[in-house]
Amino acid sequence: AQSVAQPEDQVNVAEGNPLTVKCTYSVSGNPYLFWYVQYPNRGLQFLLKYITGDNLVKGSYGFEAEFNKSQTSFHLKKPSALVSDSALYFCAVRHRSNDYKLSFGAGTTVTVRA
Amino acid sequence: ETGVTQTPRHLVMGMTNKKSLKCEQHLGHNAMYWYKQSAKKPLELMFVYNFKEQTENNSVPSRFSPECPNSSHLFLHLHTLQPEDSALYLCASSRLADEQFFGPGTRLTVL
Repeated sequence: AQSVAQPEDQVNVAEGNPLTVKCTYSVSGNPYLFWYVQYPNRGLQFLLKYITGDNLVKGSYGFEAEFNKSQTSFHLKKPSALVSDSALYFCAVRHRSNDYKLSFGAGTTVTVRA
Repeated sequence: ETGVTQTPRHLVMGMTNKKSLKCEQHLGHNAMYWYKQSAKKPLELMFVYNFKEQTENNSVPSRFSPECPNSSHLFLHLHTLQPEDSALYLCASSRLADEQFFGPGTRLTVL
């Protein structure tokens, strides 16, 4: 069965510093990987996805993620964090192209201090 | 939000009540989903509908009853719930198996 792990419950960074949110996955075959963000009292918003091709994927709000097959990782990154990036971030995996089910990680709370 | 609306946004109900959650998507998607989000737990997929047909029931108790009359609307009928069912219930939609777009959720409290 497919699964993802987000090893950090919380990430704290200063505004302007690089932000990294970690995600590792476990799936047989080629993974389809996603990042979502959730602001307080809101639903999840799609940030970016990796299906195939370039290992570096660019998404919304200046975020990007790097797919690393050998390390089975898909870490989310932003070169310069903003206070408004403070939110809950979820990694998710789908293990077949026609599979509607996503498996989500437990989430990582990001706090960016001014 | 992103074209997926949910009503009500907040709901408080007793264990003997019957209520329904509504979800509507304006994105032309064919698939719709119900998720349960509880504090400190991963998102739990409850139901999946594809072109109005239920394709997934993730061992959800029968006190939760979904209904999908068309590809744009999804309901979750609730009856005789338990306090542990208190959570944020999220609806999502997608075009085929592409990325899912979520509604703002219904915060449910069962007394």
